[in-house]
Amino acid sequence: KQEVTQIPAALSVPEGENLVLNCSFTDSAIYNLQWFRQDPGKGLTSLLLIQSSQREQTSGRLNASLDKSSGRSTLYIAASQPGDSATYLCAVIQYGGSQGNLIFGKGTKLSVKP
Amino acid sequence: DTAVSQTPKYLVTQMGNDKSIKCEQNLGHDTMYWYKQDSKKFLKIMFSYNNKELIINETVPNRFSPKSPDKAHLNLHINSLELGDSAVYFCASSRAGTGQKETQYFGPGTRLLVL
Repeated sequence: KQEVTQIPAALSVPEGENLVLNCSFTDSAIYNLQWFRQDPGKGLTSLLLIQSSQREQTSGRLNASLDKSSGRSTLYIAASQPGDSATYLCAVIQYGGSQGNLIFGKGTKLSVKP
Repeated sequence: DTAVSQTPKYLVTQMGNDKSIKCEQNLGHDTMYWYKQDSKKFLKIMFSYNNKELIINETVPNRFSPKSPDKAHLNLHINSLELGDSAVYFCASSRAGTGQKETQYFGPGTRLLVL
């Protein structure tokens, strides 16, 4: 059974710092891995999607890497800003999973202080 | 324009009632999903559906039933509501067929509180 773990559960950094969020998964047979952002009381916003054949994806100040063999992904945020404060969720779609169901980690709550 | 919308945004109701949550997407997607986020903020799939197949997560009680009047809508009906049903329910959609490789777009969520 696929399990997705995110460490740390919470992270507080001063503005301007570069930071890394970690995601690990137990079964490497995945189609892809997605990083989402969730703001308090809001829905999820997709940040980056990495296909299983890819090693990384970049969007602006965000860079996500994927190492399928070790079951790990990282989300790198450069020059963090207070507006980056949110909960970041990692999710995978597993081979054999039905209709692309996402399996989520519990998230990392990020707080960027001015 | 809102891509995936849900109504209502908040729903407070008594135990034992029957309620529905509506979801609409204007992205032209063929596959839609319902997820539940519990009090510990853990998100878990409930259903996935396209015009061919409904996949039900085995842990979902049969009091929950998705209904799709057309491709753009997937509503969630809940019978005999229980206290443990209190959660945030998210609808999502993605393109069909290649659902395993496509980004899923989420609605804003419906916060259900059962008293």
